[in-house]
Amino acid sequence: DAKTTQPPSMDCAEGRAANLPCNHSTISGNEYVYWYRQIHSQGPQYIIHGLKNNETNEMASLIITEDRKSSTLILPHATLRDTAVYYCIVRGNSNSGYALNFGKGTSLLVTP
Amino acid sequence: GAVVSQHPSWVICKSGTSVKIECRSLDFQATTMFWYRQFPKQSLMLMATSNEGSKATYEQGVEKDKFLINHASLTLSTLTVTSAHPEDSSFYICSAPGQLTNYGYTFGSGTRLTVV
Repeated sequence: DAKTTQPPSMDCAEGRAANLPCNHSTISGNEYVYWYRQIHSQGPQYIIHGLKNNETNEMASLIITEDRKSSTLILPHATLRDTAVYYCIVRGNSNSGYALNFGKGTSLLVTP
Repeated sequence: GAVVSQHPSWVICKSGTSVKIECRSLDFQATTMFWYRQFPKQSLMLMATSNEGSKATYEQGVEKDKFLINHASLTLSTLTVTSAHPEDSSFYICSAPGQLTNYGYTFGSGTRLTVV
């Protein structure tokens, strides 16, 4: 799996968009970008994933650059409940039998 | 969607005793279950991979005789912390591969173990 780099922490005001960046410059052509988050004292929660096109679901949007070397997770209207550690993970589908490797992630604090 | 139920959510035990943590896949069959440990302010660290009907695979540095893993059925995997010590106090989380195109990997809610 390609290595990812994320800022250790970010702040966001409630109601504003939270944009969480992730660098994955060594990503290969068949590797997907996954985003998970972990709210304090809970198990990680799947958010979204993508290959090369931008993706959107009820939780977030994922913007992947054309060269696929970086991506941004967007929470369009952050709430206090979005305070969590967000993990960007690169994984090929052929590795589905292997565990996800978690880096340090970005600790997002949403403030009133 | 795919759900993994983990119990107990928290447990306090005395040093030297054993604790069992269960993870059940509720609406799918999990032939593989991953077990993680997470210390305060740190990320998840993979401990071992359990496969139904075969021996678990442990990561380097994880004592297989201390952390017993059993995956006896397609819906249940258990982690037993034997002869627990205070340094085993941690947050333990299980995870099963889901449908990658929709749900990615599914995680249990975690077990907070405190050894006193």
